[in-house]
Amino acid sequence: DTGVSQNPRHKITKRGQNVTFRCDPISEHNRLYWYRQTLGQGPEFLTYFQNEAQLEKSRLLSDRFSAERPKGSFSTLEIQRTEQGDSAMYLCASSQSGGRGTYEQYFGPGTRLTVT
Amino acid sequence: AQSVTQPDIHITVSEGASLELRCNYSYGATPYLFWYVQSPGQGLQLLLKYFSGDTLVQGIKGFEAEFKRSQSSFNLRKPSVHWSDAAEYFCAVVGFSSGSARQLTFGSGTQLTVLP
Repeated sequence: DTGVSQNPRHKITKRGQNVTFRCDPISEHNRLYWYRQTLGQGPEFLTYFQNEAQLEKSRLLSDRFSAERPKGSFSTLEIQRTEQGDSAMYLCASSQSGGRGTYEQYFGPGTRLTVT
Repeated sequence: AQSVTQPDIHITVSEGASLELRCNYSYGATPYLFWYVQSPGQGLQLLLKYFSGDTLVQGIKGFEAEFKRSQSSFNLRKPSVHWSDAAEYFCAVVGFSSGSARQLTFGSGTQLTVLP
């Protein structure tokens, strides 16, 4: 069990550019979540995958955001035409499916995005 | 919809002193509750969880939490704090929306400072 990994750890981009983040969940976990955390706040839910299917999206996920999990393993989160308000820590989490393991989410270290 | 309140933004304790971090939740049914810890530059680590049963739950690193339904609280405690406990602590509740995501709703966190 190598834990949840995220790349890159830090990303600095100019307003208007596109960025993509990657998340590799714990290998036997088929549930995957993306959260966003701004300074001084707790993480907020963005979207959820069960295997390769994106089953829920928060209203926080604007049209400029898209997420994929093409083979039910790793996931990517893309932000198009970045804005300064997108600056935040983007966290990925995964959990098992079935039983109480469903509710125990394990988080990666996050990708800190700075939009200048 | 569920919500979590952490009334204390920042708490300072001396090393060796006891600690209690407050968490209040709003949820109609029996909640599933969690405490996570986040060190600088790190992701969230699960400290402990409550699903049902014994209202006093033990976690890692010597932490415990007590679920009190009458007070809608799930306070985190530690009898003797170590300098390495300095971090930000988040309380969270699972959401049972109409979908299947079971995403976490977090409080805004409590920053813990430990004095030598």
